[in-house]
Amino acid sequence: QKEVEQNSGPLSVPEGAIASLNCTYSDRGSQSFFWYRQYSGKSPELIMFIYSNGDKEDGRFTAQLNKASQYVSLLIRDSQPSDSATYLCAVRGAGSYQLTFGKGTKLSVIP
Amino acid sequence: DVKVTQSSRYLVKRTGEKVFLECVQDMDHENMFWYRQDPGLGLRLIYFSYDVKMKEKGDIPEGYSVSREKKERFSLILESASTNQTSMYLCASSLDPPEVNTEAFFGQGTRLTVV
Repeated sequence: QKEVEQNSGPLSVPEGAIASLNCTYSDRGSQSFFWYRQYSGKSPELIMFIYSNGDKEDGRFTAQLNKASQYVSLLIRDSQPSDSATYLCAVRGAGSYQLTFGKGTKLSVIP
Repeated sequence: DVKVTQSSRYLVKRTGEKVFLECVQDMDHENMFWYRQDPGLGLRLIYFSYDVKMKEKGDIPEGYSVSREKKERFSLILESASTNQTSMYLCASSLDPPEVNTEAFFGQGTRLTVV
């Protein structure tokens, strides 16, 4: 059974701080990794994906991947109250159709 | 703009009813998925389909079936609804073959309550 683990939170950070969200996965054959944001009562929407070891930056968001440690993280710089949501980590194995999701981390950015 | 549309936003059904949840995508995606999302349990895959008339069980298929007669439409069927099927149901679609950057696009969700 492929597993994706996330701290459920809530993670509270003050406005303007860096929020750090973490995810570990059990399947060493995992190929690509996705971060989705889900506002309360809404459907998940993709923030970014990563598939190579290292960092990938997109605006205020940075995804980090360490395949040796089976660890992926999302950093949100200059956090805003509008970033308050649940963040879902999702993993796909090589050639697999489906994404396996973690349970999500709830982030609250305090004004 | 990509679009996955679920037929109902909210649905209330009685125990024992047969329930149909419909999902339509306009992106010509080969793959379609049905998930349910429950507090503390996250998103769990019920069924997916990688082609018309093809289907595969996900992690929690019991009590559900699916139908895919056309590429753009994927239906989830609750044969005899039970209260433990009260949940948020999310449909998603994606391209095939899945590349490293192939994301899943989600519909708006159907909140089903079985009473």
